[in-house]
Amino acid sequence: EDKVVQSPLSLVVHEGDTVTLNCSYEVTNFRSLLWYKQEKKAPTFLFMLTSSGIEKKSGRLSSILDKKELFSILNITATQTGDSAVYLCAVARDYGGSQGNLIFGKGTKLSVKP
Amino acid sequence: NAGVTQTPKFRVLKTGQSMTLLCAQDMNHEYMYWYRQDPGMGLRLIHYSVGEGTTAKGEVPDGYNVSRLKKQNFLLGLESAAPSQTSVYFCASSSRGLAGGYEQYFGPGTRLTVT
Repeated sequence: EDKVVQSPLSLVVHEGDTVTLNCSYEVTNFRSLLWYKQEKKAPTFLFMLTSSGIEKKSGRLSSILDKKELFSILNITATQTGDSAVYLCAVARDYGGSQGNLIFGKGTKLSVKP
Repeated sequence: NAGVTQTPKFRVLKTGQSMTLLCAQDMNHEYMYWYRQDPGMGLRLIHYSVGEGTTAKGEVPDGYNVSRLKKQNFLLGLESAAPSQTSVYFCASSSRGLAGGYEQYFGPGTRLTVT
C-alpha cells in the first residue's frame, strides 16, 4: 500500500531557530513530491521536487529530494512566528500521464514561539 | 482571477439529509479533486475528475457522488449524510499533463457538521 510518512508530527521552536521537517514515502510509480503549507485554511503550494539532489529554495525555505532513500526534507532557517502552520508532504503518482493523484502525509504542526 | 472557490463555507446537516458542495475554478484546469481532511488523518481523496464529463473514485468514495458537467465546476453530493461525514472538505484543481507536474491549487474549504 502506498504511503507517505511525515516526522515529527509536531514541533515547537523559538523565533530564529532552524528546523528540518522530514517526509519519507513508499509509492509505486513515483512522479514528484510536493510540499504545502496550511494555516487554518487551504493548503498553499511551496515546492515540487522531481529530481534527486537538486535543492529548491524560496527565501528562508528550502527542500531536497533523495529518490534512492525515498525521502525529502524541508528546511526553514531563522524561523518567524508567521511560519507557524501545518506542513504537508504529498507524493504524486504517475500512471502514464493520465492522472495526478496525490497521497498526503498527516502533516507536521510547527509552532514558532516569539 | 479567483482561483478555486467553494460554496458553502459552513454547513450543519441532520443525519439523513442531503446536500451538494460546489467547487469552481477559473484557471481552465482539466483535473479537479475532492478531499476530506480529518484530525490525525491528513487529506484523503474522495473523487476526482480528469476532464469534463468524467469522474473516478479516490481513496474514500463511499457515501459521496460527484459530477463534472462543466469543465470549471465539480460538484460533491451527499445523498444521506452520516455523522462520520463530519469533516472539512477541500476542492483542488490542476493542469493536465506531465509538464503540469500535478501541482494542485486548493479552495478555501467547506466545514460540514452532521448531527
